Formats: sequence, structure tokens, C-alpha cells
Amino acid sequence: SQTIHQWPATLVQPVGSPLSLECTVEGTSNPNLYWYRQAAGRGLQLLFYSVGIGQISSEVPQNLSASRPQDRQFILSSKKLLLSDSGFYLCAWTHEDTQYFGPGTRLTVL
Amino acid sequence: SQQGEEDPQALSIQEGENATMNCSYKTSINNLQWYRQNSGRGLVHLILIRSNEREKHSGRLRVTLDTSKKSSSLLITASRAADTASYFCATGNSGGSNYKLTFGKGTLLTVNP
Repeated sequence: SQTIHQWPATLVQPVGSPLSLECTVEGTSNPNLYWYRQAAGRGLQLLFYSVGIGQISSEVPQNLSASRPQDRQFILSSKKLLLSDSGFYLCAWTHEDTQYFGPGTRLTVL
Repeated sequence: SQQGEEDPQALSIQEGENATMNCSYKTSINNLQWYRQNSGRGLVHLILIRSNEREKHSGRLRVTLDTSKKSSSLLITASRAADTASYFCATGNSGGSNYKLTFGKGTLLTVNP
């Protein structure tokens, strides 16, 4: 069966520091992968999606970037965090039009 | 931008009652899905209904889709305290390699024991 992992689960970072969040999928090959951000009490905002290694599409201009160095690995990064980057970050993959989500990373930027 | 808009934003009911949540969207879709999110957790897929379908059932869940009105509803029958969560609708585009879902802001359902 397929599983999706995210780490870390929780992160507190100062403004201006770098960020690296990792997502890995097991049990499937060549999945479409997605990064979402969820602000408190809000819906999900699609940040990036990837259809293959090295292929990244950005949905909104922002302080973040994404990379896909391996087939089942998706990384969300920032060189310098802003206060507005705080939120709940979710990784997902798609199978037959349904998205399956990881457990999320709660990021607090102070 | 938000495609789906859930209504109401919050709903509080007693255990055993039915809960109905609505979703409206703006553009044409390939499918509409409902997801559930417990506080601080990832989203869990509940049910998918395609644009050529009008109604779908899964256990205590019933979803309807009216493409002429660009709306959907999720009915949870005989609710339980464990149903307390946020519920999101999401619309899927035409599919293929650029397949994306657009999520609404969600309905927070509280089921009181």
C-alpha cells in the first residue's frame, strides 16, 4: 500500500532563517506531487506541483521554492523565512483523481 | 483563488442528527470531492463524484451534484461525536498531467454528545 511521509511534524524558526521541508511517498512510482499551505481557519492554497523529477510548477509567486530530486521525494524550501510563511504545510499525491495527504508540518515563524 | 465555497462556515448539531454541508463553485469541473480534516491533521478523502453523476453514497455519507447550479451537498446521517472535524469540498479540473484540485475554506462540524 502507498504511504506518504512528511517531516518534521513541527517547526519553529526565526524570521530570516532557511527552511527545508521534506515529503516522501512509498509504494508508487512517478506520482504527481503537491505542496499546499493552510493558514489558520482557512482552506488549502496550492503552492507547487510536480509531474516528474525536476519538473516543478509554481501556482503563486512567493518566498518559497520546491524541488524534486528523486521520483518519490518532494522538498519545499526557503532561503529566508517571513512571518507570513507561518502555517500548516501539506504534501499530497494523486491516484485516479483522488489526492492523498501526508500528516503535515506545522511551521511557526517568529 | 478559491473555487469552492462551503456553507455554512460552522455547524453544531447533536449526536444522532443529520448534518448537511453545501459547496458552490464557479467554473466547469471534471469531478468534485469531499475531504475531512481532524484538527491539526492531514486531509482524508471521503468521496468523489464525477461531473456526469448526480448522487453518490458511501456508508452514512450522501453527496449530490447539480452542475447546472454549480453546487454540491454532503449529507452525514446519524452523526456521531467522532464526526467532529472540518469538511472541505474540492473541484478537480480536466485531468491529465496538469491535474489539480481547488479547495474551499471548509465547514467546521461539531457533533455534541
